[in-house]
Amino acid sequence: DAGVIQSPRHEVTEMGQEVTLRCKPISGHNSLFWYRQTMMRGLELLIYFNNNVPIDDSGMPEDRFSAKMPNASFSTLKIQPSEPRDSAVYFCASSLIGTHGYTFGSGTRLTVV
Amino acid sequence: EDKVVQSPLSLVVHEGDTVTLNCSYEVTNFRSLLWYKQEKKAPTFLFMLTSSGIEKKSGRLSSILDKKELFSILNITATQTGDSAVYLCAALFNDYKLSFGAGTTVTVRA
Repeated sequence: DAGVIQSPRHEVTEMGQEVTLRCKPISGHNSLFWYRQTMMRGLELLIYFNNNVPIDDSGMPEDRFSAKMPNASFSTLKIQPSEPRDSAVYFCASSLIGTHGYTFGSGTRLTVV
Repeated sequence: EDKVVQSPLSLVVHEGDTVTLNCSYEVTNFRSLLWYKQEKKAPTFLFMLTSSGIEKKSGRLSSILDKKELFSILNITATQTGDSAVYLCAALFNDYKLSFGAGTTVTVRA
């Protein structure tokens, strides 16, 4: 299995631009998570999908952030408009609820200038 | 508020030393305690602990959970430079939520 695949690996964008991050979870996993990691706040859960349905989006910082999971093999996290404080590493993770741990993707390092 | 606290924040040891990392947690509907190792990329899974007092081992790493005192420790014996990383603990609660601690940065010098 190729693991959780995220793209792009790095993204540099100007403030105000739209940014879309992509994730392909591990086949057969029924849960998908988007996390954000910063030096100040560590790893924070943004949103959780179970069977493609958003279950918990309480961690989404504000309306500028949105996430979709149109099918079991693809999810996007969109920021529109982006701001410098959104600069962080964004991780996607997937799991099969009831089994051990989450598997994280390699992350997308976002820099908003 | 759900909380996971790790200590120390960082430490520097020499090859061959033993390190002990601490993790305390306060979460509602606790299910399990997980440990991850993060080098330059994504966190990689080390252990999942659900029962109190049962040590889990993987090579030179071991971990144990105390559900009464709400803490866990991760031990690394005979450290090697490849053990240098950030070690994250996370509490799994409400069936799916992982709340992470800030991590302990371990630096192993040759």
